[in-house]
Amino acid sequence: SAVISQKPSRDICQRGTSLTIQCQVDSQVTMMFWYRQQPGQSLTLIATANQGSEATYESGFVIDKFPISRPNLTFSTLTVSNMSPEDSSIYLCSVGGGAGAGELFFGEGSRLTVL
Amino acid sequence: GENVEQHPSTLSVQEGDSAVIKCTYSDSASNYFPWYKQELGKRPQLIIDIRSNVGEKKDQRIAVTLNKTAKHFSLHITETQPEDSAVYFCAASISTGGFKTIFGAGTRLFVKA
Repeated sequence: SAVISQKPSRDICQRGTSLTIQCQVDSQVTMMFWYRQQPGQSLTLIATANQGSEATYESGFVIDKFPISRPNLTFSTLTVSNMSPEDSSIYLCSVGGGAGAGELFFGEGSRLTVL
Repeated sequence: GENVEQHPSTLSVQEGDSAVIKCTYSDSASNYFPWYKQELGKRPQLIIDIRSNVGEKKDQRIAVTLNKTAKHFSLHITETQPEDSAVYFCAASISTGGFKTIFGAGTRLFVKA
C-alpha cells in the first residue's frame, strides 16, 4: 500500500485568496486523483493528475479554479483559487494501487474553511 | 459519465443483525466495484471489492454481490458489531480508464449495542 502525505492538514482562509495543497507519495504511482468531500457528503472527483501533461477535469470543475500540477510520479499539488465559503471542504489526494489493482489509497485530507 | 446511486442514506440496526446496502451504476463499461468504509474524521479505506467477472465475493462477515445485467451491486454485513458503525461508500470504475472511481452518496450505518 502507498503512504500518502498531504499538507496542510487544515487551514482557515479568507475569501478571495488561493491555497495550494501538496500531496507526496512514498512510491512512484501512475494514477493520482484529487477528490472533494463536503461536510457529511460523498467524495466527488475533481480531476485526474497526469504526470507531464495537463490534468483531466471532471464536469463542473475547471482549471482556472482548481489548477493542478504533477511534476513527477510521487508529487502533486491542487490549488483552490479565489476561494469563497462554498469551497469549504475536505480535499483528498488519492492514488491507485497500481498493476491494475483498482484500489484507491487516500491521504488524510486537507480541511479548508473559507471565511 | 458514470453515475452511482446508493441506498439507504442511513441505516440503523441492532448488534448481531445484518445490514444490506444497495447500489446501482449507469455505465455498462464499469468493471470494478469497490466498497469503502470511512470512520468519523478518517480517510476512506477499502473493505471489499468485486470485479465484473465475478457474481459474489465474501470476506468473513462481509459479502458483496454483483448483477451486471441489472447494474446492481450490494454489500452485506452479517453479525454486525458496534465497530461496524461508519459511513460506507460504494463505487464504480473502469480498469481501462486508469480506475477513475466514482462514488455513491454513502450510507451512514449505526449499530446499536
